[in-house]
Amino acid sequence: TQLLEQSPQFLSIQEGENLTVYCNSSSVFSSLQWYRQEPGEGPVLLVTVVTGGEVKKLKRLTFQFGDARKDSSLHITAAQPGDTGLYLCAGGVRRGGNKLTFGTGTQLKVEL
Amino acid sequence: SQTIHQWPATLVQPVGSPLSLECTVEGTSNPNLYWYRQAAGRGLQLLFYSVGIGQISSEVPQNLSASRPQDRQFILSSKKLLLSDSGFYLCAWTAQETQYFGPGTRLLVL
Repeated sequence: TQLLEQSPQFLSIQEGENLTVYCNSSSVFSSLQWYRQEPGEGPVLLVTVVTGGEVKKLKRLTFQFGDARKDSSLHITAAQPGDTGLYLCAGGVRRGGNKLTFGTGTQLKVEL
Repeated sequence: SQTIHQWPATLVQPVGSPLSLECTVEGTSNPNLYWYRQAAGRGLQLLFYSVGIGQISSEVPQNLSASRPQDRQFILSSKKLLLSDSGFYLCAWTAQETQYFGPGTRLLVL
């Protein structure tokens, strides 16, 4: 069974601070995706990384896929209250229906 | 563009009653479809996925079943709900390895 552990589980910070969320597994994935979810809504895709060592930037968010494609990180610079939400990583495998294995989630709260 | 719908948005059901949640996708053909359940503030647990009409794969043993009567329709059902079936149910479809989610159904079993 593939597992993806996220850390930290909860994070409460002040506006303007930087933070990093980690997503770790002992399994290799063909892709790694990050989603953000608001309460009562479905997750929304932020980014997909597919190459070991790949780094993608989305405004103040930086995503990295580990060289061995077993882990990933999400770094947010100068966090804003609008960044508040549940962040989920998900590892993909191409075989067997393109299933995703979701991480345990990181609940981020950014306060003024 | 593709759109995914789920209904109802919220449902309160007594223990032992039946359940039917519906998911439909627009703007794509032959999608892979998925049902997930999510506990509050936590990750998603894959319940069922389907690669085509009438083809259902179950990921975990449970009180629920799924059906795909049409290409873009995916239904989650139960004959008798349990308290433990309460949760947030999400439907998703796949474009290559990326999944796109519906708005979800909040189910409360009392």
